[in-house]
Amino acid sequence: DAKTTQPTSMDCAEGRAANLPCNHSTISGNEYVYWYRQIHSQGPQYIIHGLKNNETNEMASLIITEDRKSSTLILPHATLRDTAVYYCIVRVGGGGNKLTFGTGTQLKVEL
Amino acid sequence: NAGVTQTPKFRILKIGQSMTLQCTQDMNHNYMYWYRQDPGMGLKLIYYSVGAGITDKGEVPNGYNVSRSTTEDFPLRLELAAPSQTSVYFCASSYIFSGRAGGETQYFGPGTRLLVL
Repeated sequence: DAKTTQPTSMDCAEGRAANLPCNHSTISGNEYVYWYRQIHSQGPQYIIHGLKNNETNEMASLIITEDRKSSTLILPHATLRDTAVYYCIVRVGGGGNKLTFGTGTQLKVEL
Repeated sequence: NAGVTQTPKFRILKIGQSMTLQCTQDMNHNYMYWYRQDPGMGLKLIYYSVGAGITDKGEVPNGYNVSRSTTEDFPLRLELAAPSQTSVYFCASSYIFSGRAGGETQYFGPGTRLLVL
């Protein structure tokens, strides 16, 4: 699976958009970009995933560059409850494949 | 649905003791996983299963055993507890998005915190 690089930490004001970047320059054509988050001491939570098109769901938007070497997770209106560690994971599709968690980005949403 | 449940929530073991961490899911998922998370680190895969009767090793399987006799249950066994196994253990299950090749969502349990002294 391709390696990912994320900033260690980011701050965001409540109500503003949080834009979390991820670099995955060695991504292969059959690898997807997944985002999970982990709120303190809880199990990780799935947010969104994509292959090459931008994706949006009720939680967030995922923007993948045309060359697929980087992506950005967007939380459109961050709240205090979005404070968590966000993991960008690149892996092949299908079940039975591990999620390789790095150290992620600690997002702190403040008033 | 209760989702993925894990028991116990917290346990202290002495070196050399054994225990079983329980994991149950009620979503009829074929795939199940065990991860461990050490302080300040990401999760590492211990074992996984693609269906009842089928298990395989992950990145860090040494010191652990698993079984999958039913779709719902995926227990993790520690035979001889060591301080290096002090960690938080997460169980997860997953399904494949229909009509969307490659999509898979893993659902995680609340975790079991294990301290080996």
